[in-house]
Parts: sequence; structure tokens; C-alpha cells
Amino acid sequence: DTAVSQTPKYLVTQMGNDKSIKCEQNLGHDTMYWYKQDSKKFLKIMFSYNNKELIINETVPNRFSPKSPDKAHLNLHINSLELGDSAVYFCASSQDLGGPGANVLTFGAGSRLTVL
Amino acid sequence: GNSVTQMEGPVTLSEEAFLTINCTYTATGYPSLFWYVQYPGEGLQLLLKATKADDKGSNKGFEATYRKETTSFHLEKGSVQVSDSAVYFCALIGNTGGFKTIFGAGTRLFVKA
Repeated sequence: DTAVSQTPKYLVTQMGNDKSIKCEQNLGHDTMYWYKQDSKKFLKIMFSYNNKELIINETVPNRFSPKSPDKAHLNLHINSLELGDSAVYFCASSQDLGGPGANVLTFGAGSRLTVL
Repeated sequence: GNSVTQMEGPVTLSEEAFLTINCTYTATGYPSLFWYVQYPGEGLQLLLKATKADDKGSNKGFEATYRKETTSFHLEKGSVQVSDSAVYFCALIGNTGGFKTIFGAGTRLFVKA
């Protein structure tokens, strides 16, 4: 059983389109995240939810809208896609927010988005 | 704010060579420190961690010691294998300033047979 699963694994689309990436975790964790990894492998946090509540919202364009219907799911919707959105998007989860043991991250396998 | 600096790669070694990947950090308070590894085509996975000064994290032959006096958490392995080829990320989470794990830029390791 995959602990953190995200779909789709690959996404190729045209500029201006709207797309979604879904993420689910079966670890019983309270906190979920979206990270963006660029072509140089640099990882930047985008959003974090704890028990469906938005906790971290980095300086991400408002074309990106996360949605957490329950604490096991965190989806990412992107409107009006731009060339610069091409990246690998990783979903992750952690047991909780606080404490050194509670915030070890478990990552999904990534969703590679290519905007043409 | 908190930050992590790690040595630029790529690092290329022969099998059985000694590995060091340097990592230093800037943080207020007492952060927890981590090394994550990313194998090709996969997400990151935790390699080891240390939560207080002088702690040593270890896993799969890799070690790193939390050195508060030098704000460092260097990753070492005595004898690398081809299967260790991956990208290694140093990371921290502070106990102030929000619940964000901050990652270094990653260091790619190639191990030749």
C-alpha cells in the first residue's frame, strides 16, 4: 500500500489551461504539504494544511489553490497555467506540526507538470 | 530566517570511496536537522535525523552529527555503493518561525563501479 499517493504522475498541457493534481495519504497523519521542485532540484514549500486548516501559504500566485476535503486528502488546482509552472510537484505528509518526531515528512512520488 | 547551505554537486566517487557532503545551517533556537535522499524518479525519503546538539543520526551506513558550535550537520559514509547514487538534501525545521521544513539545494552523488 502506497503511503502517500498522487495523481497523475505526468501531466502535459498547454499554456492557459487549468489542471489539478490529487494527493491522498493513508498514514493517519494530520498535516499535508505541497512542495514544488524546479529543474535544478530546488525544493520550495507552497502550502501546508493541518486537519483541513491552511497553516502555511507561501508567496505562491493565487492561480494555485489548494483544497483539503478531509485530513487524508490535499489537492492542488492550478488555473491559467504558465510556462514557469513546469516543475515536479510533491505532496507530503507528517504526523503533526510540532515536535521533532512529529514532523518527519513522507513524500509522494511526484507529479511532473510540463506546460507547452 | 532559517536557511540551509550544502555543498554543490555533482559529487562523483568510485565504489567503496569515503563520502562527505557538507551542510551548514542558520536558525534561531534549536532546530531539528535531517538528511533526505531522492532516488531517480522517486520522492524524497528520510535518511536520518538529529534533534539536539551532539546527537548522531545514522542509517544504512550513513552518519551525521549535530554540531551546534559549527552549525553543521555533515553527511558521511565510509564506503559508498553504486546504489547510493541519488540526490541528498539537508533540511531543518526550527522551533520558531512556523512549521516549515527548509531544504538545502541538494547534492547529486554519482558512484561508479
